[in-house]
Amino acid sequence: EVQLVESGGGLVQPGGSLRLSCAASGFTFSDYWMNWVRQAPGKGLEWVANIKRDGSSKYYVDSVKGRFTISRDNAKNSLYLQMNSLRAEDTAVYYCARGPEVYSMPVYWGQGTLVTVPS
Amino acid sequence: QTVVTQEPSFSVSPGGTVTLTCGLSSGSVSTGYYPSWYQQTPGQAPRTLIYTTNTRSSGVPDRFSGSILGNKAALTITGAQADDESDYYCVLYMGSGIWVFGGGTKLTVL
Repeated sequence: EVQLVESGGGLVQPGGSLRLSCAASGFTFSDYWMNWVRQAPGKGLEWVANIKRDGSSKYYVDSVKGRFTISRDNAKNSLYLQMNSLRAEDTAVYYCARGPEVYSMPVYWGQGTLVTVPS
Repeated sequence: QTVVTQEPSFSVSPGGTVTLTCGLSSGSVSTGYYPSWYQQTPGQAPRTLIYTTNTRSSGVPDRFSGSILGNKAALTITGAQADDESDYYCVLYMGSGIWVFGGGTKLTVL
């Protein structure tokens, strides 16, 4: 069974940093694209970033470019999101999501971790 | 900047059929946008219904189907049930590795 468990969320002051982690199990982690998707309170889903199977390609939504870095450790079956220069508008539940075979869209989802940046 | 458009809200009667759409503020949606659909109830993680236009995700009943209708992607729910009352989101591939979600449709079953 595919399992994705996010951790690392919490309260952080504007301008601060946080590192989210996603522990994967139940599948061969290195075979799949991985994504981070967020959802601000009461708002819709927003794709944030994704990373190719071997980590060789990474893509970001414009609003986080230069501030967030996605990475993975295939030996540890783990996905990460390093978030720097955090802003109030980054407040959201952050979901880790795996792609299906071949493609990169989110298909399997974790339960999310809440990041709060007060204004 | 291209926006992904969805109906803000829709209603369907129990047992009825409803088609939700996913479009672009400029241009037409084709299979090359790999449209995917998600269902979400308050406080829960999204659940994937459909990906790559019409591939049903594991465990999703066949009363959920995806297609291209005209210039939009479409999610059709047949035989609507009370627990289909949820928010529905689509996502489209914009190229260069970038995905963009629509604003979501709040579906009411009444």
